[in-house]
Amino acid sequence: DAKTTQPTSMDCAEGRAANLPCNHSTISGNEYVYWYRQIHSQGPQYIIHGLKNNETNEMASLIITEDRKSSTLILPHATLRDTAVYYCIVRRGNEKLTFGTGTRLTIIP
Amino acid sequence: EAGVTQSPTHLIKTRGQQVTLRCSPISGHTSVYWYQQALGLGLQFLLWYDEGEERNRGNFPPRFSGRQFPNYSSELNVNALELEDSALYLCASSPSQTSHVKGEQFFGPGTRLTVL
Repeated sequence: DAKTTQPTSMDCAEGRAANLPCNHSTISGNEYVYWYRQIHSQGPQYIIHGLKNNETNEMASLIITEDRKSSTLILPHATLRDTAVYYCIVRRGNEKLTFGTGTRLTIIP
Repeated sequence: EAGVTQSPTHLIKTRGQQVTLRCSPISGHTSVYWYQQALGLGLQFLLWYDEGEERNRGNFPPRFSGRQFPNYSSELNVNALELEDSALYLCASSPSQTSHVKGEQFFGPGTRLTVL
């Protein structure tokens, strides 16, 4: 699996957009970018994934650079309930997920 | 639709004992994954079952084992428990990897195991 690099922690004001960066400079052409989050003491929750194109769902948007070496997860209007550890993972479709240390996002009231 | 369920929620054991954790995947999902999350550490992949077969295994000793039943539920067994086995054990399910190669994983709430 390609490795990912994420900031250890970030803060974001409630109601603002939270932009979480991820570097995956060694990503292969058939590897997807997945984002999960883990709220304290709960199981991880799938957020979104993409291959080359930008993706959007009801939870977030995923922006992948043209060279696919980095991506950004965008939570458009952060709420206190978005406080969690966010994991960026690259993975071929039929492989296990390899979780790194993620970014601890704290939403500030 | 019911999510992934795990039992028990909490468990306390002593060193040397054996434990069995259970997982029921989302209806229609055939893949089950097991992860260990020790306090303050990230999720470590343990085992992956699909269609009743073990597909992949993480870097854990043989005393960690499991199986998947015909109804796709799964058990994780840990023998000769050690203090460092204290952790949150998470189960996840996804559609069959042979037909849904982009499939996300859906996690259960976990079983918190404490070894004294």
